[in-house]
Amino acid sequence: KAGVTQTPRYLIKTRGQQVTLSCSPISGHRSVSWYQQTPGQGLQFLFEYFSETQRNKGNFPGRFSGRQFSNSRSEMNVSTLELGDSALYLCASSSVTGDYGYTFGSGTRLTVV
Amino acid sequence: TQLLEQSPQFLSIQEGENLTVYCNSSSVFSSLQWYRQEPGEGPVLLVTVVTGGEVKKLKRLTFQFGDARKDSSLHITAAQTGDTGLYLCAGVGSNYKLTFGKGTLLTVNP
Repeated sequence: KAGVTQTPRYLIKTRGQQVTLSCSPISGHRSVSWYQQTPGQGLQFLFEYFSETQRNKGNFPGRFSGRQFSNSRSEMNVSTLELGDSALYLCASSSVTGDYGYTFGSGTRLTVV
Repeated sequence: TQLLEQSPQFLSIQEGENLTVYCNSSSVFSSLQWYRQEPGEGPVLLVTVVTGGEVKKLKRLTFQFGDARKDSSLHITAAQTGDTGLYLCAGVGSNYKLTFGKGTLLTVNP
């Protein structure tokens, strides 16, 4: 079965702009989580959506937002980009509880200049 | 806030050596997962341990979940150059939230 698909793969944006990243989960998975990965901080949890509702949220500013559609596809948006937002953004999908593992996409590499 | 402390942060060994990576927390997790990540790619699930005291083996990799479900270890026997990568432990906590350790960057030299 198809894996988790993230688009775009690479993105270069200017400070102050906004960006939208997309994630298509594995068919049948209703939970989609987003993570930011940087060399210094590792993988940091942004938020998780389950059946179109935000079920969990990490400690990121309100510039980071997301949503999930009825087909479980998810988008995350970052407004007013800052240089520090440069990172690999990863999306993961799982079954209801996630106890049996998450499947990650290849990520979107965002560079803010 | 549930935190996972992973050690060591960096590990460089010769092919054929054994190694152990540790993942510790003061919190209880419903399950503990180990992932391996290659540069520029997303983490790939290696194993999930759910029951306290559980031991799982995946070829040369042995994973253990602590009795109290707060810690885990990954042991690799006779490491190979193909084992090189970033190893991440992650715990499923309250409300199904997945928390990651900072990772162990393993380099196996020929």
